[in-house]
Amino acid sequence: AQKITQTQPGMFVQEKEAVTLDCTYDTSDPSYGLFWYKQPSSGEMIFLIYQGSYDQQNATEGRYSLNFQKARKSANLVISASQLGDSAMYFCAMRSFNQAGTALIFGKGTTLSVSS
Amino acid sequence: KAGVTQTPRYLIKTRGQQVTLSCSPISGHRSVSWYQQTPGQGLQFLFEYFSETQRNKGNFPGRFSGRQFSNSRSEMNVSTLELGDSALYLCASSLGQGMDGYTFGSGTRLTVV
Repeated sequence: AQKITQTQPGMFVQEKEAVTLDCTYDTSDPSYGLFWYKQPSSGEMIFLIYQGSYDQQNATEGRYSLNFQKARKSANLVISASQLGDSAMYFCAMRSFNQAGTALIFGKGTTLSVSS
Repeated sequence: KAGVTQTPRYLIKTRGQQVTLSCSPISGHRSVSWYQQTPGQGLQFLFEYFSETQRNKGNFPGRFSGRQFSNSRSEMNVSTLELGDSALYLCASSLGQGMDGYTFGSGTRLTVV
């Protein structure tokens, strides 16, 4: 069975610092995608970054990068130069691509609090 | 381009009633998925529709149903509401083919009293 584990319920960081949010996953499918979403208090799930299982290089999107270690089955999100607006819940998710219509499997999430 | 639109944003219903939530996907997206988010269970997959057909279904009772129209808009219905159905219901759209991700709407927050 597929599973996403986020072990950090909450993380606290000061503005301009970098922060790493942990995510480990479990799957037996060879083809899958890993996603990170940000959910502010308003509720909307905002897509941040994607990593495919066959991608050789770590994904980057602006201040976001994904530290993908396939052998360890980890996909940690790194946010550089944190901003107050980064305070939100962050979800790691996985989707198998072995067939169409597969669901996103989410972790429990990590609440990030950025202070000035 | 317009994002994923969910209506209504908030709903309050009484136990035993039924409710219908609506989701309009991004133009050109043919897949719509629904998720339930609660503090206790987190984010759970309800079902996915592609070209008016349910392609995948999560582990929810038959009180939860959905459908998709020819314009890709989707509705989900919950009958005989229970207090435990109180949740944020999120809709996500995608092209529905290959290795694409999902764009989520802002959600409908349902409260059952």
